[in-house]
Amino acid sequence: SQELEQSPQSLIVQEGKNLTINCTSSKTLYGLYWYKQKYGEGLIFLMMLQKGGEEKSHEKITAKLDEKKQQSSLHITASQPSHAGIYLCGADMGNNDMRFGAGTRLTVKP
Amino acid sequence: GAVVSQHPSWVICKSGTSVKIECRSLDFQATTMFWYRQFPKQSLMLMATSNEGSKATYEQGVEKDKFLINHASLTLSTLTVTSAHPEDSSFYICSARALGLAEDNEQFFGPGTRLTVL
Repeated sequence: SQELEQSPQSLIVQEGKNLTINCTSSKTLYGLYWYKQKYGEGLIFLMMLQKGGEEKSHEKITAKLDEKKQQSSLHITASQPSHAGIYLCGADMGNNDMRFGAGTRLTVKP
Repeated sequence: GAVVSQHPSWVICKSGTSVKIECRSLDFQATTMFWYRQFPKQSLMLMATSNEGSKATYEQGVEKDKFLINHASLTLSTLTVTSAHPEDSSFYICSARALGLAEDNEQFFGPGTRLTVL
């Protein structure tokens, strides 16, 4: 089983709708990374969160790390077809230990 | 469903030894598997694309003789780091492209393997 739980596994939304992807750990995280992979291409680094309660935004994508640093959410506002792809979270578990979620496949219907 | 496992989850070895990392798709068949490497606080770097029954395609700058990839079956791909050195210490993660699921382009990621070379 994955030590880092990512949900949902897949998501289909209508263009213009908002959506949220979650990444949860039972342990305190020392850093949380979000990546995106467009179909057929490599992974793109989106953002990294380190502090409890931290929130970062890039265009219409916002990521938050909760105060306990055990859960992160990635929120997309007014989704567009260009947002489609696979979103992956990765976590620094401490002691140089990294784990990755299973990925979330996002489809945005025009 | 659609689970990808990696073994081992972490490994420590001496410089000069070889280490094999396995990537398995547990409940689906994967015609293609991808191997990535993550450098500290950086994005994942695609190392190679592995197709079942054929030679892997390596990205530019990745040494083929250093990182041996074998994709012997539709559920298993292995990455062997040969003559490992401390600079090879990193996280290695695989992903598998599913065959026969709703979207053939869908990929599922393994949890990663941490390699430390002393």
